Amino acid sequence: NAGVTQTPKFRVLKTGQSMTLLCAQDMNHEYMYWYRQDPGMGLRLIHYSVGEGTTAKGEVPDGYNVSRLKKQNFLLGLESAAPSQTSVYFCASSPRLLSPLHFGNGTRLTVT
Amino acid sequence: EDKVVQSPLSLVVHEGDTVTLNCSYEVTNFRSLLWYKQEKKAPTFLFMLTSSGIEKKSGRLSSILDKKELSSILNITATQTGDSAIYLCAFNTNAGKSTFGDGTTLTVKP
Repeated sequence: NAGVTQTPKFRVLKTGQSMTLLCAQDMNHEYMYWYRQDPGMGLRLIHYSVGEGTTAKGEVPDGYNVSRLKKQNFLLGLESAAPSQTSVYFCASSPRLLSPLHFGNGTRLTVT
Repeated sequence: EDKVVQSPLSLVVHEGDTVTLNCSYEVTNFRSLLWYKQEKKAPTFLFMLTSSGIEKKSGRLSSILDKKELSSILNITATQTGDSAIYLCAFNTNAGKSTFGDGTTLTVKP
């Protein structure tokens, strides 16, 4: 059972480039989340989804877009990367509202 | 604005010591408080607390919630080097989102 899988694990972008991070879960969870984690800081919510076809903004949504076309996948897009988006990105899922989160292993993104 | 504060930010102990990590929160519509352990990669779930005064325990780890004081503690007894990690506290509100503190980095030396 793979749980939550994130691809890629690492990526380096130049300012202005775009990319998409993929999150896939095989637990049939309804809820999916994208967080970013910066050094010395906790996890900050970027966007989340309460079911297939739905998305909503979290605490720090600017500069990011998301899509959830299939229940098992949640994509995070950066349209025009900026150095301030250098971070570790975690995807998480949960079966029900307010349930504990299951996290992927993260994607380390560097924007130069 | 909802807020969660963890203390200390970092802690260094020796194997066998007992540690207490703190989490305080200011939040409207509180539903539950959760503790996670983050080693090199993904945070993993430890405990969820919803009622005040009830202790959750798993081996050497235990946690208790004080809703009157708006705080929670995580205790680890007889620490081992494998306990070295970042410990994250988070709360859930009725809106269904988890808000995290900045974490406590625990280092256990042999």
